[in-house]
Amino acid sequence: QVQLVESGGGVVQPGRSLRLSCAASGFTFSNYAIHLVRQAPGKGLEWVAVIASDGRDKHYADSVKGRFTISRDNSKNTLFVQMNSLRAEDTAVYYCVRDADIGAADYYFDYWGQGTLVTVSS
Amino acid sequence: EIVMTQSPATLSVSPGERATLSCRASQSVSSNLAWYQQKPGQAPRLLIYGASTRATGIPARFSGSGSGTEFTLIITSLQSEDFAVYYCQQYKNWPAITFGQGTRLEIK
Repeated sequence: QVQLVESGGGVVQPGRSLRLSCAASGFTFSNYAIHLVRQAPGKGLEWVAVIASDGRDKHYADSVKGRFTISRDNSKNTLFVQMNSLRAEDTAVYYCVRDADIGAADYYFDYWGQGTLVTVSS
Repeated sequence: EIVMTQSPATLSVSPGERATLSCRASQSVSSNLAWYQQKPGQAPRLLIYGASTRATGIPARFSGSGSGTEFTLIITSLQSEDFAVYYCQQYKNWPAITFGQGTRLEIK
């Protein structure tokens, strides 16, 4: 079965960095775009970033552009997100999410990881 | 940015009854609209895409309709497991996709 397992969350001070990982299994990872979606405590959903199936194309929400970098290693079925210059408003559960369409991204999501909590606080 | 507005914020319905949830887009998204269900402590689950197509494994009591700027999710014969938060999401204006703020469906 399709699984996405995030790791790397934790408590970090403002201005510091954190690296999230997402291990995928149960499907051909290299065939799908992967997204990052976050949810602040008690709040709604916010799309953060996407990386194309081959890793060449990436897009970011304005709120994280220039601070977050998404990458992938298709040989290891793993997604990475480097989060720099973290702010209090980045506090959220971060979900690794599979695009529903094979190949090109369609930007809706059929499988979600369980999420990893990132807390930015001094 | 396309703003998605869901109504009502909270909907109280009795089990076995029908629930009607609305989602409005600030500009046309054609049929590029998805619905998700989220239960406490869980990740969201895809219910509907293309405004009206049920995702794999979603029961027939869930139905979506609409196009352009007005969309509806109807859940008939509410079961106990259906009480959750529901989000709509437009994916017309990618990569700037946006979600609604959610409708909480609670037991009356």
